[in-house]
Amino acid sequence: EIVLTQSPATLSLSPGERATLSCRASQSVSSYLAWYQQKPGQAPRLLIYDASNRATGIPARFSGSGSGTDFTLTISSLEPEDFAVYYCQQRSNWPPGLTFGPGTKVDIK
Amino acid sequence: EVQLVESGGGLVQPGRSLRLSCAASGFTFDDYAMHWVRQAPGKGLEWVSGISWNSGSIGYADSVKGRFTISRDNAKNSLYLQMNSLRAEDTALYYCAKVLLRGRWLQPFDPWGQGTLVTVSS
Repeated sequence: EIVLTQSPATLSLSPGERATLSCRASQSVSSYLAWYQQKPGQAPRLLIYDASNRATGIPARFSGSGSGTDFTLTISSLEPEDFAVYYCQQRSNWPPGLTFGPGTKVDIK
Repeated sequence: EVQLVESGGGLVQPGRSLRLSCAASGFTFDDYAMHWVRQAPGKGLEWVSGISWNSGSIGYADSVKGRFTISRDNAKNSLYLQMNSLRAEDTALYYCAKVLLRGRWLQPFDPWGQGTLVTVSS
């Protein structure tokens, strides 16, 4: 089973700053890596799929990169509404299924 | 607009059963795979189960295999999760989610429902 590790666990930043979140897989997941944002009391929202493709309606300040085992979600300039928890997710053909990373909380410094 | 509305959650004793439902609208339901994801209180996301558009491909997390059964009724635009032999560690908010694109059943999820809370306690 592929395990995803996210770092840091918490990122304390100010609005306007750049956020860089990391997701590492225990073995290669090719480009099958997605990122989600979850705010308190809300369902998760898809941000990035296939490592670098923004989902519909996602602002351009969100970008994803990486392949294989190392991936990055970058928020170029934090807006007040971006303070949330971010999860990465991979899909595996064998054993068939999906797994999530433990999450990175981006909070206000 | 795509809408996913979960129902069927509640308080149940350990060892008992519960059936969750997800009513879908705003898209052609039988074109898309669907999944269940849960989130224990204050914890992260855990994939539970998924099913392809035609029920030909189904998968479960190891933590629920043999106890939970996913199914769908395309005529009713509905997804289900039959949960048997429930345990305290199954306590969570259960989300229904649609996959992003037609085709493969293992894909990112977009969008998600708002969830239904399952509490397993005596």
